[in-house]
Amino acid sequence: EDQVTQSPEALRLQEGESSSLNCSYTVSGLRGLFWYRQDPGKGPEFLFTLYSAGEEKEKERLKATLTKKESFLHITAPKPEDSATYLCAVHGASNTGKLIFGQGTTLQVKP
Amino acid sequence: NAGVTQTPKFQVLKTGQSMTLQCAQDMNHNSMYWYRQDPGMGLRLIYYSASEGTTDKGEVPNGYNVSRLNKREFSLRLESAAPSQTSVYFCASIDGTSAYEQYFGPGTRLTVT
Repeated sequence: EDQVTQSPEALRLQEGESSSLNCSYTVSGLRGLFWYRQDPGKGPEFLFTLYSAGEEKEKERLKATLTKKESFLHITAPKPEDSATYLCAVHGASNTGKLIFGQGTTLQVKP
Repeated sequence: NAGVTQTPKFQVLKTGQSMTLQCAQDMNHNSMYWYRQDPGMGLRLIYYSASEGTTDKGEVPNGYNVSRLNKREFSLRLESAAPSQTSVYFCASIDGTSAYEQYFGPGTRLTVT
């Protein structure tokens, strides 16, 4: 059974304090790992897709990396506007077209 | 290009009442999904439609029905609402051929009293 676990559940950072969010997964035949950002009262917003171990994607202060067992979302010098819940999801070969989501990490960046 | 739209944004129902949540996408996507999101439970798949004319159950289908009206529209119906269906409902769509990242609508916040 495909599973996704995110840690920590919540993270508080000072502005400029870099850190990483973890997404551990088990999936038979990874076809893609996805990162989303969700602001309060809004739908998840797509950030990145990673397909194979060693792959990296970057967008502004965010960088996503992938190994065979986990993915990291690195946040460099975060700003208060980076505060949100970050969701990780996997697409596996045994669940074509369906994503399995983690519980999310809620990030708060204080000025 | 509006992406994925949902109506209504908010709804309050009494136990036993029925309603339909509407979803439409203008990205020519093949597959569409309905999720519910509850505190501590994450996103849970209710139903999905891999292509026009097909629908399948997800993780939590009991108490819901769906209709894929055409390629653009996918509706979710609550026939007899229960307090346990109080939640935020999200519709999503994907290309489903070469790309599998899901694009989400803004959500419907439903309260059943």
